[in-house]
Amino acid sequence: KAGVTQTPRYLIKTRGQQVTLSCSPISGHRSVSWYQQTPGQGLQFLFEYFSETQRNKGNFPGRFSGRQFSNSRSEMNVSTLELGDSALYLCASSLATGGDEAFFGQGTRLTVV
Amino acid sequence: GNSVTQMEGPVTLSEEAFLTINCTYTATGYPSLFWYVQYPGEGLQLLLKATKADDKGSNKGFEATYRKETTSFHLEKGSVQVSDSAVYFCALSAADSWGKLQFGAGTQVVVTP
Repeated sequence: KAGVTQTPRYLIKTRGQQVTLSCSPISGHRSVSWYQQTPGQGLQFLFEYFSETQRNKGNFPGRFSGRQFSNSRSEMNVSTLELGDSALYLCASSLATGGDEAFFGQGTRLTVV
Repeated sequence: GNSVTQMEGPVTLSEEAFLTINCTYTATGYPSLFWYVQYPGEGLQLLLKATKADDKGSNKGFEATYRKETTSFHLEKGSVQVSDSAVYFCALSAADSWGKLQFGAGTQVVVTP
């Protein structure tokens, strides 16, 4: 069974640009969640989608958005990039019923210069 | 709100030593509890989980018991190897937000030969 796939693995963007990251979940998983990981803030929850609907949202500004498609694949978008957005962005998929474990992709390393 | 507190690192051990990483949580109801491990340059891997009080999760020689009375989920391993060097994260998933994981700050473990 294929794992969670995130693309691209690495990105370098300039301040003010926007970026789109992609996540393909494990087959059969309908929940996809996104996390930002930085040395200073650790792992922070961005949002979670289940059956194309945003079900949970973290405390991030509106520049961070996401969506989920009918095949459960998900994208997250960050507009007007800031230097502080440099981070490892992790996607996880799960069945998300009653506390099922989440399976993570390898992440996308975003560097904003 | 829900939160996870785990002991700060780095924890440095010699090979074959006993490892304990403390984790306590605050949550409403009965959350599911997880330990994840992150190796350098990679995403998170699920190490073990427990979904109800007194459950013991175990995997690869690691164990953790869900203690409702002390709201704890301490990770232990009897004899560590150099390959166990990684960052370990304690996390919870609560009933009011199943698709969201709340992580602790992470504990870096360094095992020397």
